[in-house]
Amino acid sequence: AQKVTQAQTEISVVEKEDVTLDCVYETRDTTYYLFWYKQPPSGELVFLIRRNSFDEQNEISGRYSWNFQKSTSSFNFTITASQVVDSAVYFCALSEFGYQKVTFGIGTKLQVIP
Amino acid sequence: DAGVIQSPRHEVTEMGQEVTLRCKPISGHDYLFWYRQTMMRGLELLIYFNNNVPIDDSGMPEDRFSAKMPNASFSTLKIQPSEPRDSAVYFCASTDSPGDTIYFGEGSWLTVV
Repeated sequence: AQKVTQAQTEISVVEKEDVTLDCVYETRDTTYYLFWYKQPPSGELVFLIRRNSFDEQNEISGRYSWNFQKSTSSFNFTITASQVVDSAVYFCALSEFGYQKVTFGIGTKLQVIP
Repeated sequence: DAGVIQSPRHEVTEMGQEVTLRCKPISGHDYLFWYRQTMMRGLELLIYFNNNVPIDDSGMPEDRFSAKMPNASFSTLKIQPSEPRDSAVYFCASTDSPGDTIYFGEGSWLTVV
């Protein structure tokens, strides 16, 4: 069975601080996919990144970066120089190969204080 | 390109009434999902379809819930009769292949009073 753990339920940071959101996953498959989604206060779910299990390269997109470490089954998300617009709930998710169910973590609510 | 389109965006209904939520997936996507989001349980997968065929409905809470996909561009999720505990945000999502990115609609916010 697949499982995603986001241990941080809520985080508050002051604007311009860096913040890392943790994600730990469990799977018995060797091939799987990891995702991050953002849910702003307006409620929609916005796709941020998809990573397959064979690609352990870290990724950077503007102020966002992701650190994928298979050795620790983690896929952490860092926001550099946070802004108020980053305030949202962030979900980490896992999909096993050939099994279309995507399991979501409980989400981390990030509040960026001006 | 149009994303996943859901309707209605908001619905308030009385207990016992029938509720129908609608979804149009992204054109060309063969997989369609219905998720429910609540504070207590987070995001739960209710059911998903592949090529209009229900593949896994193990997440459907009970017989009051039913979902159909009569064609590749339309799906419904029906609750009959509705109960206050069904109050939640219901998301429809679609993707074109296993493991690929799932794109979500804006959600249908259901309140049953």
